[in-house]
Amino acid sequence: IVLTQSPGTLSLSPGERATLSCRASQSVSSSYVAWYQQKAGQAPRLLIYGASSRATGIPDRFTGSGSGTDFTLTISRLEPEDFALYYCQQFGSSPCTFGQGTKVVIK
Amino acid sequence: QVQLQESGPGLVKPSQTLSLTCTVSGGSISSGIYYWSWIRQHPGKGLELIGYTFYSGSTYYNPSLKSRLTISVDTSKNLFSLKLSSVTAADTAVYYCARGWSYYGSLGWFDPWGQGTLVTVSS
Repeated sequence: IVLTQSPGTLSLSPGERATLSCRASQSVSSSYVAWYQQKAGQAPRLLIYGASSRATGIPDRFTGSGSGTDFTLTISRLEPEDFALYYCQQFGSSPCTFGQGTKVVIK
Repeated sequence: QVQLQESGPGLVKPSQTLSLTCTVSGGSISSGIYYWSWIRQHPGKGLELIGYTFYSGSTYYNPSLKSRLTISVDTSKNLFSLKLSSVTAADTAVYYCARGWSYYGSLGWFDPWGQGTLVTVSS
């Protein structure tokens, strides 16, 4: 399954709402999606699993949603530490696959 | 808490074998049903699952790499390893090891990840 993330780059200011899209080439069961955050020179960090469950220590400004072929990661109010690269992953079909990423940059 | 650390050569010659080890600390590789995984990231690109092993030694390999790939586990040393043969420049990437979680009996998400190691294939 190919995951297409959009936009490629999202330019926003701290305090603004970020909406990141992940579209699958085939339907994925809604709970078989995860989201990761990656900062420069670091490994990806799990944010959301099972489509909408937050990983340990992840603040509630991060929310995952979606179903079928369209999934969304929403950051309600951007904090300075949220400017990073974000990936979605599907694990409903083997092998699991990742999107190409959305970069959230400071406007 | 469980931590993972990759180790191995950062430079491999074309046609040779890339070998990496992932040492698990803070927990036993034999506890729980986890998918001890290798994932790579080509420069400036997205992420690709290479494959995984269970503590029992059962493995899954990404079909695109299967013919060149060996993943093994050493429970006595709490580590698992990756060998990728006949490498080319296309295998240049950051290689991560990660713990995959089981979700309804299949591989789910990955957490935690090792810090990653850059492997360059060049003569």
